[in-house]
Amino acid sequence: SQQGEEDPQALSIQEGENATMNCSYKTSINNLQWYRQNSGRGLVHLILIRSNEREKHSGRLRVTLDTSKKSSSLLITASRAADTASYFCATGGYQKVTFGIGTKLQVIP
Amino acid sequence: DVKVTQSSRYLVKRTGEKVFLECVQDMDHENMFWYRQDPGLGLRLIYFSYDVKMKEKGDIPEGYSVSREKKERFSLILESASTNQTSMYLCASSSDGLNQPQHFGDGTRLSIL
Repeated sequence: SQQGEEDPQALSIQEGENATMNCSYKTSINNLQWYRQNSGRGLVHLILIRSNEREKHSGRLRVTLDTSKKSSSLLITASRAADTASYFCATGGYQKVTFGIGTKLQVIP
Repeated sequence: DVKVTQSSRYLVKRTGEKVFLECVQDMDHENMFWYRQDPGLGLRLIYFSYDVKMKEKGDIPEGYSVSREKKERFSLILESASTNQTSMYLCASSSDGLNQPQHFGDGTRLSIL
């Protein structure tokens, strides 16, 4: 399967710092998505970047995609305690996507 | 906003029981999905459906079946529950098209005793 792998698996930062999470994948993709999951809840879609895009912004989120390296990064700027969650990248085919194992982010107030 | 509702947040069943997990979405989405989520393994796709009465196996369909009689409802069935099916189950839906964002329910934490 085209499972993405997030790195690091866990990250702990102080409030106000930036958080960077990475995702690597093995096969070519049409697009890549990032999701957030708060503890005990379902996943929430954050951002989708197409294979012909290199960078995309949404509020405090910045996503980059390097198809030559088969990798993507998610940057959260000026982190807040409410950003504490697990973050997943997802890649895949026409109708279904495959999720990675996720990065657990803790933002310390 | 899209709402995906799973019938139970927590469920406890016994080994050998037939278990039904229900999921309803209110946005007329064509695609619906069932995942299980386990620590260290991430989300794994059990089954998905791209239309009423249509179903496709995901990565781990063994021990499960699904039913989609109406567009808004997608049911996951554990034919004979076993302890290794203790997990968090997540339902999602998406509109038709290439890699559309998925909208998730809050999950059902199922324990099989």
